[in-house]
Amino acid sequence: AQSVTQPDIHITVSEGASLELRCNYSYGATPYLFWYVQSPGQGLQLLLKYFSGDTLVQGIKGFEAEFKRSQSSFNLRKPSVHWSDAAEYFCAVGAFYNAGKSTFGDGTTLTVKP
Amino acid sequence: DTEVTQTPKHLVMGMTNKKSLKCEQHMGHRAMYWYKQKAKKPPELMFVYSYEKLSINESVPSRFSPECPNSSLLNLHLHALQPEDSALYLCASSQGTGNSYEQYFGPGTRLTVT
Repeated sequence: AQSVTQPDIHITVSEGASLELRCNYSYGATPYLFWYVQSPGQGLQLLLKYFSGDTLVQGIKGFEAEFKRSQSSFNLRKPSVHWSDAAEYFCAVGAFYNAGKSTFGDGTTLTVKP
Repeated sequence: DTEVTQTPKHLVMGMTNKKSLKCEQHMGHRAMYWYKQKAKKPPELMFVYSYEKLSINESVPSRFSPECPNSSLLNLHLHALQPEDSALYLCASSQGTGNSYEQYFGPGTRLTVT
């Protein structure tokens, strides 16, 4: 069975500071990995995804993530956080055969200090 | 147009009421999804439709009844709900049901069962 752990429930960073959100997954084969962002009262928006190839993935809004198979990790990074980045962030893992089904982590709430 | 619309935005219903949630997309997507999201929790998949046919039902109670009248429209019919069914109900769509396809989420319907 696949699972996702986001170790940090809540992270606070200052505007302009760098950000790293952690995600660890458990899956037997090569996973499909996703990062989503959810602003208050909104649906989820896909930031980036990894299926294969280059392990450093670029996404929207200046985010990137690095797939590290040896550490079973897919951490999300941003070099300089903006106040509008304050939101809930979900990491998810999907199996190739399990079309349409992804397992989500519990999420990390990001607060941005002015 | 990459928008998924959901109506109503908010719904309050009693336990004996019958109501419906509506979701619409005009991106030509052939897969549509219903998720349930409790506060501070990740979304939980409820149903997946592929080419207007129900392909996944995640053992959802029968008081939730999905319907896909055409490729652009997805409904969720609600009857005899319980207070614990109060949640944000998210609709999503994608080109196909493989995990390589990005899911586009609507803003959700905030449901309160009294």
